Amino acid sequence: QVQLQQSGPGLVKPSQTLSLTCAISGDSVSSNSAAWNWIRQSPSRGLEWLGRTYYRSKWYNDYAVSVRSRVTINPDTSKNQFSLQLNSVTPEDTAVYYCAGGLMTMGFGYWGQGTLVTVSS
Amino acid sequence: QSALTQPPSASGSPGQSVTISCTGTSSDVGGYNRVSWYQQHPDKAPKLIISEVSKRPSGVPDRFSGSKSGNTASLTVSGLQAEDEADYYCASYAGTDAGNHNLVFGGGTKLTVL
Repeated sequence: QVQLQQSGPGLVKPSQTLSLTCAISGDSVSSNSAAWNWIRQSPSRGLEWLGRTYYRSKWYNDYAVSVRSRVTINPDTSKNQFSLQLNSVTPEDTAVYYCAGGLMTMGFGYWGQGTLVTVSS
Repeated sequence: QSALTQPPSASGSPGQSVTISCTGTSSDVGGYNRVSWYQQHPDKAPKLIISEVSKRPSGVPDRFSGSKSGNTASLTVSGLQAEDEADYYCASYAGTDAGNHNLVFGGGTKLTVL
């Protein structure tokens, strides 16, 4: 049974960097069939896919156009986890952030518990 | 990438069937058989209920079914039960741009069981 456990601060100041981590149990971040994603949800934007990392003999990343210039998703094989960094945040980045994973073509079968991140001074 | 279009609300009485649509373009829904559906109850994380247009993950009741025609995917909930009242979201693979793969969500549909 795969479980995802998120951690990170719930409050970030404008212009700073939002950082979250998702620890994986029951699967491997280096799986050759899974992909590991970050998704956020806000009343104004609904569910928004931010990007993913996955391993297919080497590491790959894909990022949503809307955040591509500000986002980085990195795997950490030593801790079997992956992280999200979103730079230069504004109040519009306030949302519940989820990590999610699953087989590449099969959608997001596993979800973290969600982290409400508020961008405010 | 534009969000997929879903009706904001749907409703039905217990025992009835309800169908929720998810309309995209030939660049996403119509171009690939990689549409998935998610059920979300208040203050909970979304739950995968349909993958690859019509596949049900283990443990999902067969009252939930998915289909696709052209650029529109559909989720049908048969034999509505009170616990089916939730928000439902579709998602689709949306191809690549400059080698970067894209995924897109629908705006969500609130299903009310009358």
